Formats: sequence, structure tokens, C-alpha cells
Amino acid sequence: DAGITQSPRHKVTETGTPVTLRCHQTENHRYMYWYRQDPGHGLRLIHYSYGVKDTDKGEVSDGYSVSRSKTEDFLLTLESATSSQTSVYFCAISASGADNYGYTFGSGTRLTVV
Amino acid sequence: AQRVTQPEKLLSVFKGAPVELKCNYSYSGSPELFWYVQYSRQRLQLLLRHISRESIKGFTADLNKGETSFHLKKPFAQEEDSAMYYCALQHFTGGGNKLTFGTGTQLKVEL
Repeated sequence: DAGITQSPRHKVTETGTPVTLRCHQTENHRYMYWYRQDPGHGLRLIHYSYGVKDTDKGEVSDGYSVSRSKTEDFLLTLESATSSQTSVYFCAISASGADNYGYTFGSGTRLTVV
Repeated sequence: AQRVTQPEKLLSVFKGAPVELKCNYSYSGSPELFWYVQYSRQRLQLLLRHISRESIKGFTADLNKGETSFHLKKPFAQEEDSAMYYCALQHFTGGGNKLTFGTGTQLKVEL
């Protein structure tokens, strides 16, 4: 398999509740990313990590936080979910900082905020 | 700032017809470009890297720095090519590489 799994696959939550999405990899890759996919916007980077406890913001980071306490796990938290955060969330991994092999993506988490 | 533009949201072609999915980019550095494909409700998969100049599933893409383009082409469309296609630009920052994606083009191959 691709060596990257996301959980849960689907989630429905209420406005104002906290939500945590998990990305788990077995490739020992240093770099991990969270993207959201929305019609008309393509994929937009939320946050990324370049090592354990090393994270940085992407272009749409407001309302999201991340944590990476070990190489294999990258968590995305919506502190207080809003309807605008209804989306499909993809995690991706990359082996190094400047390779040309692209990313490997997870299967996505479909999140609905009602 | 880097930017990737895919002008067509939807491209509909008949089976056997040629396909060209357009991608233009804006980047001050040396571009590293990719095409990703997403079949219905599946994960994104890497289709092509410009650096390798390979042909995958009959698709090719040539980087044209003068026109800042990286269009995806296939001479004869197949029904199984129906999918969402994303062009992406890799750029390196202090925290490592990042991919900036275009908004995607939905390719529909009709019989």
C-alpha cells in the first residue's frame, strides 16, 4: 500500500466542536503536509511539518492547528469547527526537502460541519 | 509568489480524440512541475514529473519556460482517462519543499 493512512475517513460534526484528524505514515518520511480540497480552489496547504515538533503554516491555516510528536503521526485539529471547514482533507508525505519525486497522498478525510 | 493556473474547469472530449490539459505557472525560481491525477473519490496519484521526461499512460508534458507552461497531452483519449487532473509547482522554502496546486481540470471522455 501507499504507506500513509488517514483517520477517520468520514466525519460529521457540529459547529463549535473540536475535531482532530490523524495522518499516520510507515515510510519514515521527514515531511508531512495537510491540504484541503474544495471545488474551484483545488488543493490548498493548511500546515506542514519538516520534522518532529517542527511545523509551519500554509496558505489557509486560520482555524487549524497541528502537532507532530513523532515521525509517523501528524495531527490536524480544528479547535472550533465552522461550516466553512467542511471539506475533504488530504495528508501527504515527502521523503526530503528538495527531491523531485512528488508527494504521496493519503485517501482523504471527508469532514462535514453542520 | 508562485502561482499555478489551470484555465479549464471541465474538458470534455470523445474517445480517441487528442487531449490537452493546460497549465501555466508563475515562479521566480527554477520550476519543478508535476501532474497529479485523481480518479473518482480516490487519493491523488503522481502522474508525471517534468524532470524525468517520462510518459505515463500515454500522457506527456513538456516544460516551456518561455511560455511558462506545462501542458499535459495525450494523442488518443481513453474512457479510463476520465478524472480530475492537477498541475502542481514545487518550490523550496526554509522549511522544505512545498507544492502549490492549480484548481484542477475535470477531464471527461465520452464514448
